[in-house]
Amino acid sequence: GDSVTQMEGPVTLSEEAFLTINCTYTATGYPSLFWYVQYPGEGLQLLLKATKADDKGSNKGFEATYRKETTSFHLEKGSVQVSDSAVYFCALSKAAGNKLTFGGGTRVLVKP
Amino acid sequence: DSGVTQTPKHLITATGQRVTLRCSPRSGDLSVYWYQQSLDQGLQFLIQYYNGEERAKGNILERFSAQQFPDLHSELNLSSLELGDSALYFCASSALAGGPHEQFFGPGTRLTVL
Repeated sequence: GDSVTQMEGPVTLSEEAFLTINCTYTATGYPSLFWYVQYPGEGLQLLLKATKADDKGSNKGFEATYRKETTSFHLEKGSVQVSDSAVYFCALSKAAGNKLTFGGGTRVLVKP
Repeated sequence: DSGVTQTPKHLITATGQRVTLRCSPRSGDLSVYWYQQSLDQGLQFLIQYYNGEERAKGNILERFSAQQFPDLHSELNLSSLELGDSALYFCASSALAGGPHEQFFGPGTRLTVL
């Protein structure tokens, strides 16, 4: 079945550091890929998405590129802030079903 | 604010009991999804409804059931509760039934089974 694997956390960074969270997927066909973010005590919010190979999703300084050849969708941000402390989830959705299949989540802690 | 509401926010109950979780989707959204977030299983899809009809089923236990009403709100019923059912239950909604459309998540209901 479909699956998403992302690096385990926690990832601890200093403010203004560069952030990368690795995400790889296994799926047949051409899934759409998503990054969701969960702030403490809140639900999930869509951070960015990409629907086809080589698409780059971007939002709030975060970027991720859909790489079909490596089945990856790594999340990056050039300069993190304390407010970026959250849990980040990589997910995929197949056109046929539309449910989201999530990775295990990566907790990021940014220290001032 | 995603526009998806869930009640109650917290629920504490005992083993063997039955509870009902409620979700109101964003205005105009016809699809409702339920997910369970637990420490050992992560975020797992439970079930999807579209315009009142069950559309997709995931890892939902037989003790759990759901329905979507004509006003499009949805309820997730959990019965014969066990300690392992303690988790955060999320509802999400989207406009359409199929395709990789964005899902909007509610704040979740935290269920604690004692």
